[in-house]
Amino acid sequence: AQSVSQHNHHVILSEAASLELGCNYSYGGTVNLFWYVQYPGQHLQLLLKYFSGDPLVKGIKGFEAEFIKSKFSFNLRKPSVQWSDTAEYFCAVSGATNKLIFGTGTLLAVQP
Amino acid sequence: EPEVTQTPSHQVTQMGQEVILRCVPISNHLYFYWYRQILGQKVEFLVSFYNNEISEKSEIFDDQFSVERPDGSNFTLKIRSTKLEDSAMYFCASDRGNSNQPQHFGDGTRLSIL
Repeated sequence: AQSVSQHNHHVILSEAASLELGCNYSYGGTVNLFWYVQYPGQHLQLLLKYFSGDPLVKGIKGFEAEFIKSKFSFNLRKPSVQWSDTAEYFCAVSGATNKLIFGTGTLLAVQP
Repeated sequence: EPEVTQTPSHQVTQMGQEVILRCVPISNHLYFYWYRQILGQKVEFLVSFYNNEISEKSEIFDDQFSVERPDGSNFTLKIRSTKLEDSAMYFCASDRGNSNQPQHFGDGTRLSIL
């Protein structure tokens, strides 16, 4: 069955700390991978996506993610978080059809 | 940048009533989607719609649910005989259908069933 696992449900960091959020997926065939962010009271926004090519993808606001096919992983990273990064982060996968399968999300709280 | 818009932002309905959630996808997008997020749970796919018909639906999307594109701009989700467990955030999304184009999401409608 298709699924996405996010290991960290709630992460608390101080400003300037480095961030890595784990994401593993289970999906047969070619996959497209996404990270979406949901700031408080706002809609889901695309942070970055991987469709093909360079497995290290860079997104908005200094975020990046690395697709490691052998590990079925697509972890999100940011070298130095800011208070404004406080939000919920969702990893998602799609395949032959465009429907997105989401992980359970990670709540990130950045303390000033 | 064009956005997906959803109305209303919050809908409160008595159990057993019918509700219609409305969405205006981005104008040059061809695929439309509904997702829902029950409080504290993950975002779940409900249905995708293309060329005036359902292209895929999840097991959640049973006979209680229907979708429609009544005119050239709106995309609606109808829930009949609402139940308490239908309370959730409902998100509409759209994309161009190309494999390398991401979906754009609306702000969501919070549906509360009393």
